[in-house]
Amino acid sequence: SQTIHQWPATLVQPVGSPLSLECTVEGTSNPNLYWYRQAAGRGLQLLFYSVGIGQISSEVPQNLSASRPQDRQFILSSKKLLLSDSGFYLCAWSVKQNSNQPQHFGDGTRLSIL
Amino acid sequence: QQQVKQSPQSLIVQKGGISIINCAYENTAFDYFPWYQQFPGKGPALLIAIRPDVSEKKEGRFTISFNKSAKQFSLHIMDSQPGDSATYFCAASRWGGGGADGLTFGKGTHLIIQP
Repeated sequence: SQTIHQWPATLVQPVGSPLSLECTVEGTSNPNLYWYRQAAGRGLQLLFYSVGIGQISSEVPQNLSASRPQDRQFILSSKKLLLSDSGFYLCAWSVKQNSNQPQHFGDGTRLSIL
Repeated sequence: QQQVKQSPQSLIVQKGGISIINCAYENTAFDYFPWYQQFPGKGPALLIAIRPDVSEKKEGRFTISFNKSAKQFSLHIMDSQPGDSATYFCAASRWGGGGADGLTFGKGTHLIIQP
């Protein structure tokens, strides 16, 4: 069966420090991969999605970047964190087929910026 | 991305009652409408999903009702149980959910089932 792993589960970082969050998927190949941010009372906002290695699409302008160095690995990064980057970051994957393919989420990383 | 509006923001229901959460969308290109359930500290988990070619889909105690002309859909939880207490998100996407672009989520409903 397919599983998705995110780490770390929680992270406290000072303003201006770099960031690297990692997500890996097991049990499937060539998935679509997604990064979302969840802010309290604001639902989930799509940040990036990827259809393949090295292919990244950004949904919103921001202080963050994403990379997909391997088929089942998705990384969220920042060179200098801002206070506004605090939030709950979720990685998700879906099968690359025609229709009715749900997205499956990891358990997220709670990021606090001090 | 077009908006998906979800209501109510919070909901308290007695055990055994019916919980109803509503969503409305704007983008007529949306053709896949999933509902997710999220417990504290966890990622959202798919609960049930519907395509606009049907008006209702039922899975156990959970039912989605879909009104294409009104661009509205709702989640009904029958015989609500304390274990159903969670945050529920409606969402929408294009291409039957199989496209590469992501889901557009509502802002969530915090559901509490009182014993």
